[in-house]
Amino acid sequence: QVQLVESGGGVVQPGRSLRLSCAASGFTFGAYALHWVRQAPGKGLEWVAFISYDGSNKYFADSVRGRFTISRDNSKNTLYLQMNSLRVEDTAVYYCARSHGDSGYDHSLDVWGKGTTVTVSS
Amino acid sequence: DIVMTQSPDSLAVSLGERATINCKSSQSVLYSRNNENYLAWYQQKPGQPPKLLIYWASTRESGVPDRFSGSGSGTDFTLTISSLQAEDVAVYYCQQYYNTPPYTFGQGTRLEIK
Repeated sequence: QVQLVESGGGVVQPGRSLRLSCAASGFTFGAYALHWVRQAPGKGLEWVAFISYDGSNKYFADSVRGRFTISRDNSKNTLYLQMNSLRVEDTAVYYCARSHGDSGYDHSLDVWGKGTTVTVSS
Repeated sequence: DIVMTQSPDSLAVSLGERATINCKSSQSVLYSRNNENYLAWYQQKPGQPPKLLIYWASTRESGVPDRFSGSGSGTDFTLTISSLQAEDVAVYYCQQYYNTPPYTFGQGTRLEIK
């Protein structure tokens, strides 16, 4: 079945780095844009980053731009989020999610992983 | 960036009654070329990822019960649950996906049983 599975979360000190992965299965990975969305403890959803189906277009929330990078390996059906210079306020559950449509227009998010928890603490 | 504002922040409705959640965008998310509103609604239950309910403001995702409906255009949108069921207790979010990112979410509305 269609599935996204995140990994790579953990506890890290402020200023350090972490790389999250999102393994996809059950669909044509290279046909869909993908996103990272995070949720701080007890808070709402925050959209974090976007990558187009072929990796040619990338966008970031202001809160992470310049510190986070997004990439994908379509041969491995895997999405990545490289997080550098981590801050306490980056503590959250990080979800990867798929754009609903493969047309490039519908970026509602129809498939979500269960999330991986990142805790930034000294 | 487009700011999404939901109201109310929380809502308590009796079983079988109608629940209405509003979402307002700081600028129009209606794309004139295709006449579509780039607005989605999600449901999130505790300990679970969000679930897509509605996209294009009013199109129900496959498998979503027909008691859920979306309406509105431009900057003002509504999610309606026509007859509240116990399993509908959740936090609901709107999200705009107009043009290029950032694709911002509303702050969420917590729906409870009265």
